[in-house]
Amino acid sequence: EVQLVESGGGLVQPGGSLRLSCAASGFTFSSYGMNWVRQAPGKGLEWVAKIKQDGSEKYYVDSVKGRFTISRDNAKNSLYLQMNSLRAEDTAVYYCAGLHNDYWGQGTLVTVSS
Amino acid sequence: DIQMTQSPSSLSASVGDRVTITCRASQGIRNDLRWYQQKPGKAPKRLIYAASSLQSGVPSRFSGSGSGTEFTLTISSLQPEDFATYYCLQHNSYPRTFGQGTKVEIK
Repeated sequence: EVQLVESGGGLVQPGGSLRLSCAASGFTFSSYGMNWVRQAPGKGLEWVAKIKQDGSEKYYVDSVKGRFTISRDNAKNSLYLQMNSLRAEDTAVYYCAGLHNDYWGQGTLVTVSS
Repeated sequence: DIQMTQSPSSLSASVGDRVTITCRASQGIRNDLRWYQQKPGKAPKRLIYAASSLQSGVPSRFSGSGSGTEFTLTISSLQPEDFATYYCLQHNSYPRTFGQGTKVEIK
C-alpha cells in the first residue's frame, strides 16, 4: 500500500522557519519526481515545488523562490521542504504528492501568525 | 507562466444532471492536463489524465476532452457522491498551475 506521511507542520511566527518532511512507502520512491502542493484555508490548490527523481532539478512557484528549498533523500525514502522567511500568506495545508502516479499524503498544516 | 482559467467557480445541480466544467489555458499545453476531485478535508483524487484518459477505478460517467487551450470535464449523470470541488492542473511547463476550482453543490 502506498503511503505518504507528512510531518513538521505547526504554528510559526512571521519571518520564522519550518522544515516539512514526507515519509514514503509502498512504491519505488527513487523512481519518481515528487512535489509539494498547498491549500490555504478555504482556498484552491497551489503547486509549490517539484524535485526530479535524482534531485538534479528543482522547480518552484515564483512566490516561494529564494525562501523555500525542496530536497529528498532516496536512501531514506523521504522528501523535505525547508521553508524560511515565512509569511502569513504561506499559511496552508501542505501536501506531499507524487503527481505522476496520483500519490498524495494527508497534509500537514502550517500556520504563520504572531 | 501558464494561467488556467476554470469556469464556473461554482454550480448548483441535481442528481442525474449533466455537468460541464471548462478550463482554458493561456497558451497551448497539448493534452498535458489532469482533472482532480477534492472533498472537504481530503487530498485531491485524480479523475482524468492526458486530458481525456479515465483514471483506473473512476466511474465512466466522468469524461474529459480538449487539447491545446480549451478543456472540458463532463459528468454525464451527477451522483450524490460527486458533490465536491473539481480542479484542472496543467503539467506542460513549470510552474505547474491549477485552475481556481469549481464547487459542485446540491440544488
